[in-house]
Amino acid sequence: GENVEQHPSTLSVQEGDSAVIKCTYSDSASNYFPWYKQELGKRPQLIIDIRSNVGEKKDQRIAVTLNKTAKHFSLHITETQPEDSAVYFCAAAVYGNNRLAFGKGNQVVVIP
Amino acid sequence: EAQVTQNPRYLITVTGKKLTVTCSQNMNHEYMSWYRQDPGLGLRQIYYSMNVEVTDKGDVPEGYKVSRKEKRNFPLILESPSPNQTSLYFCASSLSQGITEAFFGQGTRLTVV
Repeated sequence: GENVEQHPSTLSVQEGDSAVIKCTYSDSASNYFPWYKQELGKRPQLIIDIRSNVGEKKDQRIAVTLNKTAKHFSLHITETQPEDSAVYFCAAAVYGNNRLAFGKGNQVVVIP
Repeated sequence: EAQVTQNPRYLITVTGKKLTVTCSQNMNHEYMSWYRQDPGLGLRQIYYSMNVEVTDKGDVPEGYKVSRKEKRNFPLILESPSPNQTSLYFCASSLSQGITEAFFGQGTRLTVV
């Protein structure tokens, strides 16, 4: 089955700096890659996703890039703010196989 | 309001005492699943259901049961809970797995003593 790995496990950044989290996946058939944000004590919520037919997607301060050849995708957060502090989960899925494989999560800490 | 509702939010129980965690969604989603979240292990899928009366094992199904008698409900059953099932549990639903957003419930913090 699909194996998703996230690096680094913890990331501390100064407020205003950028944060980048990278995920690798194993199944070359995977074609859907969402990112979920989980604030302390809350449920995971989708913040951005990308499909295999595009290489980059942006939504205000966040962006996701996908490299299908290398089988990795990354979350980029620019101009970080304290409310960006959370655990971020990447995931990968193959359309039609009904399984969404999550990475172990990255703790992002934004230092004011 | 579109939502996934789990109950209870917190539960402390004793080893061997059967329990059920309920999950209900009001978005007419076909796909529902259960995850457990443990420190350092992320979200691991326990069971999933593609539609009514269709369920299948996820990555960590041992010690759990599920049922899908109605589209909106997907309860998680622990027939004989053990301390290693102490965890944070999330139910999630989506219109179609693998291509659309998964909506998570609020979570159920289970402690088995």
